[in-house]
Amino acid sequence: ETGVTQTPRHLVMGMTNKKSLKCEQHLGHNAMYWYKQSAKKPLELMFVYNFKEQTENNSVPSRFSPECPNSSHLFLHLHTLQPEDSALYLCASSQDIRGLEFGEQYFGPGTRLTVT
Amino acid sequence: AQTVTQSQPEMSVQEAETVTLSCTYDTSENNYYLFWYKQPPSRQMILVIRQEAYKQQNATENRFSVNFQKAAKSFSLKISDSQLGDTAMYFCALGGSNYKLTFGKGTLLTVNP
Repeated sequence: ETGVTQTPRHLVMGMTNKKSLKCEQHLGHNAMYWYKQSAKKPLELMFVYNFKEQTENNSVPSRFSPECPNSSHLFLHLHTLQPEDSALYLCASSQDIRGLEFGEQYFGPGTRLTVT
Repeated sequence: AQTVTQSQPEMSVQEAETVTLSCTYDTSENNYYLFWYKQPPSRQMILVIRQEAYKQQNATENRFSVNFQKAAKSFSLKISDSQLGDTAMYFCALGGSNYKLTFGKGTLLTVNP
């Protein structure tokens, strides 16, 4: 389980806090993704980066701010979150975004976020 | 729009037995990919098996195999000789001509000793 790592694994934050989630991939991939996983709901794609450039923002509220300084690292900055933002946040990576014939997505273990 | 439906929220099976998880999907694309991902408790999601729609032969990976019925848009996962380590959430996912994956809600499989 060292291909895609995420820190922290668990995070509890108040609605006025500012925190960041970190994702790192060691697979030499060029595309990275943030997903939100809520109970009894399908995974929701939030953001996509390809070669450090954001290619997708799936109508995510501005209280979530992604950052991709290089192809190996992806951050999700959080501020003034709401209790309904509590979920498992998954990072994933793939070779690039050309298409699935070029390889599937590899997932990290996730950060369990609780907003109080 | 693509949709993926997993109609079994939870299932259980006895160790060493066989279990089948159901998945149906809908897409307007002719060329697409189907996946089963496994997410063990508190561990990361890993790819179990992958099927290209243009291949008629069902994919197999050791104890895991699929029954891909393209006309019926059905993609079920069969786990043979179930092991305790197979206990996990299983997600069916569909991908089309780009990188985007559409996931089902998942099936929680419990393997009982």
